[in-house]
Amino acid sequence: AQKVTQAQTEISVVEKEDVTLDCVYETRDTTYYLFWYKQPPSGELVFLIRRNSFDEQNEISGRYSWNFQKSTSSFNFTITASQVVDSAVYFCALSERVLTGGGNKLTFGTGTQLKVEL
Amino acid sequence: DTEVTQTPKHLVMGMTNKKSLKCEQHMGHRAMYWYKQKAKKPPELMFVYSYEKLSINESVPSRFSPECPNSSLLNLHLHALQPEDSALYLCASSVTGYRDEQFFGPGTRLTVL
Repeated sequence: AQKVTQAQTEISVVEKEDVTLDCVYETRDTTYYLFWYKQPPSGELVFLIRRNSFDEQNEISGRYSWNFQKSTSSFNFTITASQVVDSAVYFCALSERVLTGGGNKLTFGTGTQLKVEL
Repeated sequence: DTEVTQTPKHLVMGMTNKKSLKCEQHMGHRAMYWYKQKAKKPPELMFVYSYEKLSINESVPSRFSPECPNSSLLNLHLHALQPEDSALYLCASSVTGYRDEQFFGPGTRLTVL
C-alpha cells in the first residue's frame, strides 16, 4: 500500500523567512508520480507541481522550489521569502495507477498548515 | 477555460431531503472525481469516472449516487444523508491516466441537519 507522510502538522513563520515543508512517501511501484497542492482558506485545492520518479532534477518556480530525493523517498517543498498569501494547508500526494479503468488515485499526506505572519 | 466549476457553493439539507451537487469542466478531461473532505483532514476519494464509466467506488454508502451524463459533467445525488456526512465535497478532473495532475473545483460545503 502506498503512504505519504507529512510529519509537520503546523508551521508558523514570520514574513520573508524561508520555510521547507517535508514529504516522505512509500510505494512499491518503480514508476510513480508525486504532486504538491495548496489549499487556502477558501477551500479549493490548487495544483503546484508534478514530478515523476525518473526525474530527480530539482525544480524552481519563482519563490517555490522542490527537492526530490529518491534515495530517501522525499519530495520536499521550500518557499523562499514567505508572504502572508502563502498561508494555507499544503498537501503532498502520490499517484496510484487504476488497473481496472482510467483515472488515478491520489494518496494524500495529512497536510501541513503554514501560517505566515507579519 | 482551465477551471472546474461546482454548484452550489453551500448546501444545507435535512436528513429526508434529496439534493444534487453538480460539477462541470470544459478542459476536455476524460477522468472526473468526487472527494469528501472533513475539517483538518486530507481529501478522501469517493468515486472516479473515466470516459464516463465508473472506475472506482471507494465503498461509499448508497445514499451517495454519482452520475456522469457526459464527458463534461459530473453529478452527485444525495438522499437520506446523516449529520456525519457534513463536509466539503470537492470535484476534480484530469486528462486521463495516473501521471496526470488533477484540477479541483472550489467545492460545495454541505451541512446535514
